[in-house]
Amino acid sequence: QVQLQESGPGLVKPSETLSLTCTVSGYSISSGYYWGWIRQPPGKGLEWIGNIYHSGNTYYNPSLKSRVTISVDTSKNQFSLKLSSVTAADTAVYYCARGPGYVGLSPYFDHWGQGTLVTVTS
Amino acid sequence: EIVLTQSPATLSLSPGERATLSCRASQSISSYLAWYQEKPGQAPRLLIYDASNRATGIPARFSGSGSGTDFTLTISSLESEDFAVYYCQQRSNWPQTFGQGTKVEIK
Repeated sequence: QVQLQESGPGLVKPSETLSLTCTVSGYSISSGYYWGWIRQPPGKGLEWIGNIYHSGNTYYNPSLKSRVTISVDTSKNQFSLKLSSVTAADTAVYYCARGPGYVGLSPYFDHWGQGTLVTVTS
Repeated sequence: EIVLTQSPATLSLSPGERATLSCRASQSISSYLAWYQEKPGQAPRLLIYDASNRATGIPARFSGSGSGTDFTLTISSLESEDFAVYYCQQRSNWPQTFGQGTKVEIK
């Protein structure tokens, strides 16, 4: 079955870049679907960060767009998130997820990773 | 950006009771609404997509309805494992957005 697993540092210093990788098993990223990142600050709701379509098209939340980059490495069946110039407000559990959909229609998310807590602290 | 408003914020019910959760969109989103269940320490789980389609493996006691701006998630008879936080998400307009959540707690 499809499984996703986030990995990356749990602590990031203010003004630095947060980098996370999502490793996918049970499905080839290049075969289809959107692949997305969603975050959840402690005690708060879900916030969509961005998606990458299997063809490489990227879509970012306008509120984060200037700081976000999502990329894919099909040889490793992984996709990655980079969020620059982080502050304490970026402290959250970060989830990666698979999203059925097609270009022109955003996805819902049918498979999620377990999530990883990233804390921004000096 | 489309704003999704979920109500109530908290729903206090007993096992066996019916739960009705609401999600209202700030403009029409056709039927492009999904519902997720989140339990502490777990990732969200997709329950319903495109307003009324149950995701794979989701019990029949979960149902979704609505279109346009008003949507409902109904749990026909609450089981102990259903006490959780529920989020709606729209995918009609970019950027996709989530509601703030409804917590279903044991009364």
